[in-house]
Amino acid sequence: GAVVSQHPSWVICKSGTSVKIECRSLDFQATTMFWYRQFPKQSLMLMATSNEGSKATYEQGVEKDKFLINHASLTLSTLTVTSAHPEDSSFYICSARGARQLITGELFFGEGSRLTVL
Amino acid sequence: ILNVEQSPQSLHVQEGDSTNFTCSFPSSNFYALHWYRWETAKSPEALFVMTLNGDEKKKGRISATLNTKEGYSYLYIKGSQPEDSATYLCAFFKAAGNKLTFGGGTRVLVKP
Repeated sequence: GAVVSQHPSWVICKSGTSVKIECRSLDFQATTMFWYRQFPKQSLMLMATSNEGSKATYEQGVEKDKFLINHASLTLSTLTVTSAHPEDSSFYICSARGARQLITGELFFGEGSRLTVL
Repeated sequence: ILNVEQSPQSLHVQEGDSTNFTCSFPSSNFYALHWYRWETAKSPEALFVMTLNGDEKKKGRISATLNTKEGYSYLYIKGSQPEDSATYLCAFFKAAGNKLTFGGGTRVLVKP
């Protein structure tokens, strides 16, 4: 299957700082990328959908000014948690699909990033 | 809001035993049902993409069935091995080009 790489795997930051998480498709062109957040013992909650070259579409209840998503190329999307606070501590994971997966919907996932805000 | 439920949330299986668990999803506006395996410290990987009512797919000792009319899918693991320990996620796909809605997952622990 296709490979998606996500960095960093874990990050600890101070309250008020911003953190950037990168999601890269290594061997295919990711026309669409998805960002999820997972709370303990809960399912993957979709935060936003980003199409290359377009503004991200955020799910209801997700603050777009807090979680900045950029998908500037077909291989890279970034999630920036701005002015992070302890309640933003969570597990964030990206997924991607290319044109071939448009019909089946199959996703290729990154490894996820554990954010801890002190 | 789409409701995708998985049960049980977790289960312990003795090595060599077989097991199964369920995913329930809306029976209307069905397009596809996905199963993913998520091992600890790794990325979730697609196991099956199922589209037809009555479909049955198999990969090694793992198989899945699909009932779109009643809105459920079963995942079976035959002769469980420790390497089958993972969280198994199902996801409902409403339409081509759309997003997936994930269930909460079933965490399987296979004890040697």
